[in-house]
Amino acid sequence: GQQVMQIPQYQHVQEGEDFTTYCNSSTTLSNIQWYKQRPGGHPVFLIQLVKSGEVKKQKRLTFQFGEAKKNSSLHITATQTTDVGTYFCAGHRGSYIPTFGRGTSLIVHP
Amino acid sequence: EAQVTQNPRYLITVTGKKLTVTCSQNMNHEYMSWYRQDPGLGLRQIYYSMNVEVTDKGDVPEGYKVSRKEKRNFPLILESPSPNQTSLYFCASSDAPGQKYEQYFGPGTRLTVT
Repeated sequence: GQQVMQIPQYQHVQEGEDFTTYCNSSTTLSNIQWYKQRPGGHPVFLIQLVKSGEVKKQKRLTFQFGEAKKNSSLHITATQTTDVGTYFCAGHRGSYIPTFGRGTSLIVHP
Repeated sequence: EAQVTQNPRYLITVTGKKLTVTCSQNMNHEYMSWYRQDPGLGLRQIYYSMNVEVTDKGDVPEGYKVSRKEKRNFPLILESPSPNQTSLYFCASSDAPGQKYEQYFGPGTRLTVT
């Protein structure tokens, strides 16, 4: 079945350093979404990417969707302690059913 | 306020004692689903529903049942809970495909089965 691999599982950074998490799918995706889950909280939608090669920015966050629509990345510039949490990607193959990556937990040290 | 609510938020129960976790959304969403979250495994879909009276299995449906008698409600039923169903459960809802796939998640239900 469809798999979405997400790496790394954990990432420790010093405040101010950059952070990137990557998602790779075994099949072509129709779109990919990114969610953030704060410690003790629930996943919250960040963004959806649909087009091949699409790049979207939200302040310090940059999201990319690969040309082949099989991979995606989330990059955070100059991390802050408020960025702490687990970031999930979720890929759709043109159906209702998303396949979530296992998430990357970001730990920011002040 | 647009939201997904779940009850209870915390539950400790014993093996074999039937339980129901309720989920309700006020956004008139057609699509609803249930996930379980376990350390290192991310979010795994249990069941989903595309509309009233339409439900289907996700990736890990064994030991669970659902129903969708009304558009706003999507309860998760554990007929005979076992310790391996100890987990954090999330309900989610979204618009129908063709629109935004953004899922709105409930606050979660932490279930412990002893």
